[in-house]
Amino acid sequence: QVQLVQSGAEVKKPGSSVKVSCKTSRDTFSVYAISWVRQAPGQGLEWMGGILPLIKTTNYAQTFQGRLTMTTDESTTTAYMELTSLRSEDTAVYYCATRTTAGGYFDHWGQGTLVTVSS
Amino acid sequence: DIQMTQSPSSLSASVGERVTITCRASQSINSYLNWYQQKPGKAPKLLIYGASNLQSRVPSRFSGSESPTDFTLTISSLQPEDFATYYCQQSYTTPYTFGQGTKLEIK
Repeated sequence: QVQLVQSGAEVKKPGSSVKVSCKTSRDTFSVYAISWVRQAPGQGLEWMGGILPLIKTTNYAQTFQGRLTMTTDESTTTAYMELTSLRSEDTAVYYCATRTTAGGYFDHWGQGTLVTVSS
Repeated sequence: DIQMTQSPSSLSASVGERVTITCRASQSINSYLNWYQQKPGKAPKLLIYGASNLQSRVPSRFSGSESPTDFTLTISSLQPEDFATYYCQQSYTTPYTFGQGTKLEIK
């Protein structure tokens, strides 16, 4: 059974950075790409980017270019999403999700991490 | 970027009713269209992938179809647990994009 367990809620100041983790199993790391999707309060879903965990190839949405870094740690089978230069509009729930490389759909999701950006 | 447009944005229906939600892409996406259900405070859940394939352990009252211009999610007989927000998503090319959502409420 695929499980994704994310780190806890964060409160950050504008201009700072946040790093969210997503822990999974070795099997998941080997089979799936990991994507990050965010959802602002009361809003829809926004794909941020993804990473192939073992070869560490990344693909970021243009919206986040320059502010977003996705990494993985094979020893702990954990994926990370770091967003810098935070602004209030980055307040959202951030989800990690597995993405099948063939169909591109997100079939397993973490529980979500609320990031609040406030002065 | 490919724009995904869902309709309606909200819908009221009764238990036992048949409902349909439509999604249109701004360009051809072949059959790379997926549907998700999201309940308040929860992560989205995959229902349908590849336009018409039912995800494992999803009830058979959910189905997906496609026409030359539109994709449709149908719930054949609404159950109380189906009241949620539904999103379509294209996985044809990055950036992967979602529809704005359809909130399904109890009439």
